[in-house]
Amino acid sequence: QSALTQPASVSGSPGQSITISCTGTSSDVGGYNYVSWYQQHPGKAPKLMIYDVSNRPSGVSNRFSGSKSGNTASLTISGLQAEDEADYYCSSYTSSSSYVFGTGTKVTVL
Amino acid sequence: EVQLVESGGGLIQPGGSLRLSCAASGFTVSSNYMSWVRQAPGKGLEWVSVIYSGGSTYYADSVKGRFTISRDNSKNTLYLQMNSLRAEDTAVYYCARVFEGVYFDYWGQGTLVTVSS
Repeated sequence: QSALTQPASVSGSPGQSITISCTGTSSDVGGYNYVSWYQQHPGKAPKLMIYDVSNRPSGVSNRFSGSKSGNTASLTISGLQAEDEADYYCSSYTSSSSYVFGTGTKVTVL
Repeated sequence: EVQLVESGGGLIQPGGSLRLSCAASGFTVSSNYMSWVRQAPGKGLEWVSVIYSGGSTYYADSVKGRFTISRDNSKNTLYLQMNSLRAEDTAVYYCARVFEGVYFDYWGQGTLVTVSS
């Protein structure tokens, strides 16, 4: 199972919006509405930010939103804040009853 | 409050074995899907293994035949038995609950495994 493809880095100024893409195949991202997104600060465990493509867990800011079209999912962060600077990973359930993560995207707040 | 606490990591020589533990509180391990995810130094997340509530297990190709996931219901603890360890198994290993079988909603703090001579 190959990792889902994400851009290595994305940057934006405070207050701007950024979007991170996550491209897979019809056996994972395209085949199920089971895409999730995780935020990871250095030295910390990942934190769930979005599940089932576009749902936010309780406590996660509504500045974070998710979507999907075909084999590509996206995470949008609006009103970018300094605390959003972190690594972000997408994940999907797969047709092999397994899970796959994205390559990861480093978000920099300029 | 849900909590996951991993232990058992350390320095091990290539070819050696190690067992990781993940003690859970605030929910019942046996009623949930539970998984191990690892992260090599400076690298991304890699899914390792999952155990379903019914007991079925699945593994990433990179560890199949070498790693075994299990649980002790009486201790509410998840395990990962790692055999024939290789340098490329060096990573922080996280345990996570797999909610509804499709996303990782709670994570432990991780335990570092270093495979080196």
